Amino acid sequence: NAGVMQNPRHLVRRRGQEARLRCSPVKGHSHVYWYRQLPEEGLKFMVYLQKENIIDESGMPKERFSAEFPKEGPSILRIQQVVRGDSAAYFCASSPLAGQSTDTQYFGPGTRLTVL
Amino acid sequence: QKEVEQNSGPLSVPEGAIASLNCTYSDRVSQSFFWYRQYSGKSPELIMSIYSNGDKEDGRFTAQLNKASQYVSLLIRDSQPSDSATYLCAVRPGTYKYIFGTGTRLKVLA
Repeated sequence: NAGVMQNPRHLVRRRGQEARLRCSPVKGHSHVYWYRQLPEEGLKFMVYLQKENIIDESGMPKERFSAEFPKEGPSILRIQQVVRGDSAAYFCASSPLAGQSTDTQYFGPGTRLTVL
Repeated sequence: QKEVEQNSGPLSVPEGAIASLNCTYSDRVSQSFFWYRQYSGKSPELIMSIYSNGDKEDGRFTAQLNKASQYVSLLIRDSQPSDSATYLCAVRPGTYKYIFGTGTRLKVLA
Protein backbone atom coordinates (compact mmCIF):
# COMPACT_ATOMS: atom_id res chain seq x y z
CA ASN A 1 0.00 0.00 0.00
CA ALA A 2 2.40 2.63 -1.26
CA GLY A 3 1.79 6.24 -0.36
CA VAL A 4 2.83 9.27 -2.34
CA MET A 5 6.32 8.78 -3.74
CA GLN A 6 8.70 11.54 -4.65
CA ASN A 7 12.14 11.44 -6.17
CA PRO A 8 14.80 12.40 -5.84
CA ARG A 9 14.68 12.99 -2.10
CA HIS A 10 17.61 15.36 -2.29
CA LEU A 11 18.70 17.34 -5.33
CA VAL A 12 21.66 19.65 -5.65
CA ARG A 13 21.91 22.01 -8.60
CA ARG A 14 24.15 24.90 -9.53
CA ARG A 15 22.67 28.24 -10.44
CA GLY A 16 21.35 28.21 -13.99
CA GLN A 17 20.74 24.46 -14.16
CA GLU A 18 17.38 22.75 -14.45
CA ALA A 19 15.68 20.82 -11.64
CA ARG A 20 13.11 18.11 -12.33
CA LEU A 21 11.09 16.81 -9.42
CA ARG A 22 8.89 13.75 -9.77
CA CYS A 23 5.79 12.68 -7.88
CA SER A 24 3.80 9.46 -8.09
CA PRO A 25 0.46 9.80 -6.29
CA VAL A 26 -1.21 7.16 -4.18
CA LYS A 27 -2.56 4.42 -6.44
CA GLY A 28 -6.04 5.40 -7.48
CA HIS A 29 -5.58 9.10 -6.72
CA SER A 30 -6.07 11.34 -9.72
CA HIS A 31 -5.45 14.72 -8.10
CA VAL A 32 -1.94 16.03 -7.45
CA TYR A 33 -0.86 19.17 -5.64
CA TRP A 34 2.58 20.71 -5.30
CA TYR A 35 3.63 22.82 -2.31
CA ARG A 36 6.87 24.59 -1.49
CA GLN A 37 8.23 25.03 2.01
CA LEU A 38 10.96 27.56 2.60
CA PRO A 39 13.09 27.20 5.76
CA GLU A 40 11.14 28.11 8.91
CA GLU A 41 7.99 28.76 6.90
CA GLY A 42 4.71 27.00 6.24
CA LEU A 43 3.80 25.20 3.07
CA LYS A 44 2.72 27.36 0.15
CA PHE A 45 0.40 26.04 -2.54
CA MET A 46 1.92 26.07 -6.01
CA VAL A 47 -0.21 24.10 -8.45
CA TYR A 48 -3.07 21.62 -8.68
CA LEU A 49 -3.20 19.09 -11.50
CA GLN A 50 -5.41 16.31 -12.70
CA LYS A 51 -4.35 13.86 -15.38
CA GLU A 52 -3.29 15.91 -18.44
CA ASN A 53 -4.79 19.09 -17.00
CA ILE A 54 -3.52 22.01 -14.95
CA ILE A 55 -6.46 23.10 -12.82
CA ASP A 56 -4.90 25.89 -10.77
CA GLU A 57 -1.36 27.23 -11.06
CA SER A 58 -1.99 30.46 -9.19
CA GLY A 59 0.75 29.76 -6.63
CA MET A 60 3.46 29.00 -9.13
CA PRO A 61 5.91 31.71 -10.28
CA LYS A 62 5.10 32.76 -13.83
CA GLU A 63 8.66 32.31 -15.04
CA ARG A 64 10.97 29.31 -14.91
CA PHE A 65 8.44 27.01 -13.20
CA SER A 66 6.19 24.50 -14.96
CA ALA A 67 4.27 21.39 -13.98
CA GLU A 68 2.64 18.51 -15.75
CA PHE A 69 0.76 15.34 -14.93
CA PRO A 70 0.74 13.18 -18.05
CA LYS A 71 -1.68 10.39 -18.80
CA GLU A 72 1.04 7.89 -18.02
CA GLY A 73 3.81 8.37 -15.49
CA PRO A 74 4.47 10.67 -12.58
CA SER A 75 3.74 14.34 -12.17
CA ILE A 76 6.75 16.52 -12.91
CA LEU A 77 7.62 19.91 -11.43
CA ARG A 78 10.30 21.57 -13.53
CA ILE A 79 12.35 24.56 -12.49
CA GLN A 80 14.52 26.07 -15.20
CA GLN A 81 17.59 28.22 -14.60
CA VAL A 82 17.47 27.70 -10.84
CA VAL A 83 18.51 30.46 -8.46
CA ARG A 84 19.53 30.25 -4.81
CA GLY A 85 16.08 31.42 -3.73
CA ASP A 86 14.61 28.22 -5.18
CA SER A 87 16.30 26.21 -2.42
CA ALA A 88 13.44 24.70 -0.46
CA ALA A 89 11.54 21.52 0.25
CA TYR A 90 9.00 20.69 -2.43
CA PHE A 91 6.14 18.48 -1.34
CA CYS A 92 3.67 16.68 -3.50
CA ALA A 93 0.27 15.65 -2.19
CA SER A 94 -2.49 13.58 -3.72
CA SER A 95 -6.16 12.99 -3.10
CA PRO A 96 -8.73 10.65 -4.56
CA LEU A 97 -11.33 13.35 -4.98
CA ALA A 98 -11.58 17.10 -5.08
CA GLY A 99 -14.47 19.29 -4.23
CA GLN A 100 -15.65 16.91 -1.54
CA SER A 101 -15.97 18.38 1.92
CA THR A 102 -14.21 15.42 3.49
CA ASP A 103 -11.44 15.09 0.94
CA THR A 104 -7.97 14.91 2.44
CA GLN A 105 -4.56 15.42 0.89
CA TYR A 106 -1.75 12.99 1.70
CA PHE A 107 1.80 14.21 1.44
CA GLY A 108 4.87 12.60 0.00
CA PRO A 109 8.31 12.68 1.68
CA GLY A 110 9.37 15.74 -0.26
CA THR A 111 12.33 16.69 -2.43
CA ARG A 112 14.87 18.97 -0.82
CA LEU A 113 16.41 21.17 -3.46
CA THR A 114 19.67 22.93 -2.76
CA VAL A 115 20.96 25.47 -5.24
CA LEU A 116 24.66 26.23 -4.98
CA GLN B 1 -3.19 40.00 8.08
CA LYS B 2 -2.03 36.47 7.34
CA GLU B 3 -4.70 34.07 6.13
CA VAL B 4 -3.83 31.46 8.76
CA GLU B 5 -2.02 32.51 11.90
CA GLN B 6 -0.25 30.40 14.46
CA ASN B 7 2.11 31.26 17.29
CA SER B 8 5.51 30.01 16.17
CA GLY B 9 6.52 28.96 19.69
CA PRO B 10 8.32 27.04 20.90
CA LEU B 11 5.61 25.88 23.24
CA SER B 12 7.20 23.86 26.04
CA VAL B 13 5.13 21.52 28.18
CA PRO B 14 6.19 18.85 30.68
CA GLU B 15 5.62 15.21 29.86
CA GLY B 16 2.09 14.14 30.80
CA ALA B 17 0.64 17.64 30.54
CA ILE B 18 -1.92 18.97 28.06
CA ALA B 19 -0.52 20.88 25.10
CA SER B 20 -2.85 23.47 23.59
CA LEU B 21 -2.16 24.70 20.06
CA ASN B 22 -4.15 27.52 18.52
CA CYS B 23 -4.88 28.77 15.04
CA THR B 24 -6.95 31.64 13.65
CA TYR B 25 -7.99 32.15 10.05
CA SER B 26 -9.29 35.09 8.07
CA ASP B 27 -11.52 33.58 5.37
CA ARG B 28 -15.03 33.22 6.81
CA VAL B 29 -16.17 30.86 4.06
CA SER B 30 -13.66 28.18 5.08
CA GLN B 31 -15.34 24.87 5.75
CA SER B 32 -12.52 22.37 6.24
CA PHE B 33 -9.73 22.45 8.79
CA PHE B 34 -6.77 20.19 9.32
CA TRP B 35 -3.95 19.66 11.76
CA TYR B 36 -0.70 18.18 10.48
CA ARG B 37 2.36 17.16 12.46
CA GLN B 38 5.77 17.67 10.90
CA TYR B 39 8.97 16.32 12.36
CA SER B 40 12.15 18.13 11.41
CA GLY B 41 13.17 17.22 7.88
CA LYS B 42 10.08 15.11 7.30
CA SER B 43 6.79 15.55 5.47
CA PRO B 44 3.52 16.69 7.07
CA GLU B 45 1.45 13.91 8.57
CA LEU B 46 -2.31 14.34 9.00
CA ILE B 47 -3.46 14.16 12.62
CA MET B 48 -6.99 15.48 12.58
CA SER B 49 -9.57 16.98 10.28
CA ILE B 50 -12.62 18.87 11.48
CA TYR B 51 -15.52 20.32 9.54
CA SER B 52 -18.22 21.21 12.11
CA ASN B 53 -18.28 23.49 15.13
CA GLY B 54 -17.44 21.79 18.39
CA ASP B 55 -14.98 19.16 19.48
CA LYS B 56 -13.66 16.10 17.71
CA GLU B 57 -11.65 13.56 19.65
CA ASP B 58 -9.25 10.91 18.39
CA GLY B 59 -7.18 9.18 21.04
CA ARG B 60 -5.06 11.74 22.86
CA PHE B 61 -5.93 14.45 20.32
CA THR B 62 -8.94 16.77 20.39
CA ALA B 63 -9.63 19.33 17.69
CA GLN B 64 -11.91 22.24 18.50
CA LEU B 65 -13.57 24.48 15.93
CA ASN B 66 -15.39 27.76 16.41
CA LYS B 67 -16.37 29.21 13.04
CA ALA B 68 -17.97 32.32 14.55
CA SER B 69 -14.64 33.23 16.14
CA GLN B 70 -12.63 31.85 13.19
CA TYR B 71 -10.61 29.77 15.57
CA VAL B 72 -9.43 26.17 15.56
CA SER B 73 -7.34 24.48 18.21
CA LEU B 74 -5.64 21.18 18.92
CA LEU B 75 -5.30 19.69 22.38
CA ILE B 76 -2.83 16.93 23.06
CA ARG B 77 -3.46 15.09 26.31
CA ASP B 78 -0.77 13.20 28.20
CA SER B 79 1.93 14.77 26.05
CA GLN B 80 4.91 12.56 25.27
CA PRO B 81 8.44 13.51 24.18
CA SER B 82 7.61 11.85 20.84
CA ASP B 83 4.96 14.54 20.32
CA SER B 84 7.74 17.12 19.99
CA ALA B 85 7.35 18.45 16.45
CA THR B 86 5.95 21.37 14.51
CA TYR B 87 2.16 21.38 14.23
CA LEU B 88 0.72 22.92 11.09
CA CYS B 89 -2.81 24.25 10.91
CA ALA B 90 -4.35 24.11 7.43
CA VAL B 91 -7.56 25.69 6.21
CA ARG B 92 -9.35 24.87 2.97
CA PRO B 93 -11.53 27.84 1.97
CA GLY B 94 -12.70 26.25 -1.27
CA THR B 95 -12.61 22.80 -2.73
CA TYR B 96 -8.92 21.91 -2.89
CA LYS B 97 -6.35 24.58 -2.02
CA TYR B 98 -4.92 24.26 1.48
CA ILE B 99 -3.72 27.42 3.21
CA PHE B 100 -1.14 26.56 5.86
CA GLY B 101 0.00 28.47 8.89
CA THR B 102 3.69 28.70 9.61
CA GLY B 103 3.36 26.13 12.38
CA THR B 104 3.84 25.98 16.14
CA ARG B 105 6.90 24.20 17.44
CA LEU B 106 6.03 21.99 20.41
CA LYS B 107 8.62 20.69 22.88
CA VAL B 108 7.58 18.09 25.40
CA LEU B 109 10.08 17.97 28.23
CA ALA B 110 10.84 14.58 29.76
